[in-house]
Amino acid sequence: GAVVSQHPSRVICKSGTSVKIECRSLDFQATTMFWYRQFPKKSLMLMATSNEGSKATYEQGVEKDKFLINHASLTLSTLTVTSAHPEDSSFYICSAPQRGGFGDTQYFGPGTRLTVL
Amino acid sequence: GEDVEQSLFLSVREGDSSVINCTYTDSSSTYLYWYKQEPGAGLQLLTYIFSNMDMKQDQRLTVLLNKKDKHLSLRIADTQTGDSAIYFCALTGGGNKLTFGTGTQLKVEL
Repeated sequence: GAVVSQHPSRVICKSGTSVKIECRSLDFQATTMFWYRQFPKKSLMLMATSNEGSKATYEQGVEKDKFLINHASLTLSTLTVTSAHPEDSSFYICSAPQRGGFGDTQYFGPGTRLTVL
Repeated sequence: GEDVEQSLFLSVREGDSSVINCTYTDSSSTYLYWYKQEPGAGLQLLTYIFSNMDMKQDQRLTVLLNKKDKHLSLRIADTQTGDSAIYFCALTGGGNKLTFGTGTQLKVEL
């Protein structure tokens, strides 16, 4: 199947710093990518839809100034957590849909574990 | 919005069958998916079913869909220790958005 990578896989930062997470579709182009947040032992919550060439669409309750999304190319989307605080510590997962015979299949990255001290 | 519920935990013995259930409220989803998540990892697509199907079998996996009752299930035959993970059902919404179930942690005991 298609491959989606994320970098870094794990990051620890001090409170107040900004952290950038990259999501890449390695063998297909994705005009849309999705960013999710997952708390321990919880389900995935959709944060935003990243759109190549236009602004991201944020879900209700997600601060767009806090979580900056840039879809720089057809294979790369970045999520920047600005002025991170301990409550931003979480597992962040991206996904990219690939069009197939039965519709679009979402392929997920391996996730990025963010710990804010 | 869509509510997608799963039981939190399932424990089975190795070699037995596992059945993971999922109930949902919105029946407009075209595709329904099952994903597997191992500790500290992303999600792996296991299988899917189209909304006009009742059943789909893929090797050890059998998906059953009851649209009338808005119930989806995943049966894993001959469950192995490597099947221990969290399983999520997911439904498609508008614009390729996925709504995930609450997740079921499957524990396989020897």
